[in-house]
Amino acid sequence: AQTVTQSQPEMSVQEAETVTLSCTYDTSESDYYLFWYKQPPSRQMILVIRQEAYKQQNATENRFSVNFQKAAKSFSLKISDSQLGDAAMYFCAYRSAYQAGTALIFGKGTTLSVSS
Amino acid sequence: AAGVIQSPRHLIKEKRETATLKCYPIPRHDTVYWYQQGPGQDPQFLISFYEKMQSDKGSIPDRFSAQQFSDYHSELNMSSLELGDSALYFCASSLAFGELFFGEGSRLTVL
Repeated sequence: AQTVTQSQPEMSVQEAETVTLSCTYDTSESDYYLFWYKQPPSRQMILVIRQEAYKQQNATENRFSVNFQKAAKSFSLKISDSQLGDAAMYFCAYRSAYQAGTALIFGKGTTLSVSS
Repeated sequence: AAGVIQSPRHLIKEKRETATLKCYPIPRHDTVYWYQQGPGQDPQFLISFYEKMQSDKGSIPDRFSAQQFSDYHSELNMSSLELGDSALYFCASSLAFGELFFGEGSRLTVL
């Protein structure tokens, strides 16, 4: 079974600074997807970024980028120029690419605080 | 753009009662997922449907059942409710292998 581990329960950053959230996963599959979701206090689950395992190039979405290391099974999220609105719980998630409708498996989450 | 619609947004039930949650996926999405999230916890996968057939099953109690209808909307039925069932229930939808888009959740309180 696949597992996702986020070893940082809490992180903090100052506005305009850069922060990196860590995520590791365990799988025997070679084809899969990785995601970062953000859950602000409203508890709406918002997709931040997506990475396909077959792509070597790291995904980037504006201020958000990932460092995907397939051999190390590592998938970290870098937030640049942090803003107060980035404060939220961040979940790393894994999904198999072998069958439609398979579950998205979440890590335990990292709570990010942003101070001014 | 249309999003995933969940109803009701809030629901209060007594122990041993029954509750039904509804989910309307994003148009043209053929896959629906149900998750349960307790306070301060990560979302726990319950069940998913692809093209109206059950696709994957997680830690869904036997007291719960779900289905996806011909119009692709889904319903989660919860019977013999227990205090521990109090949680935020998310529905998400996707294309078969696409990213999941989540609804705003249905908050169930069992008294």
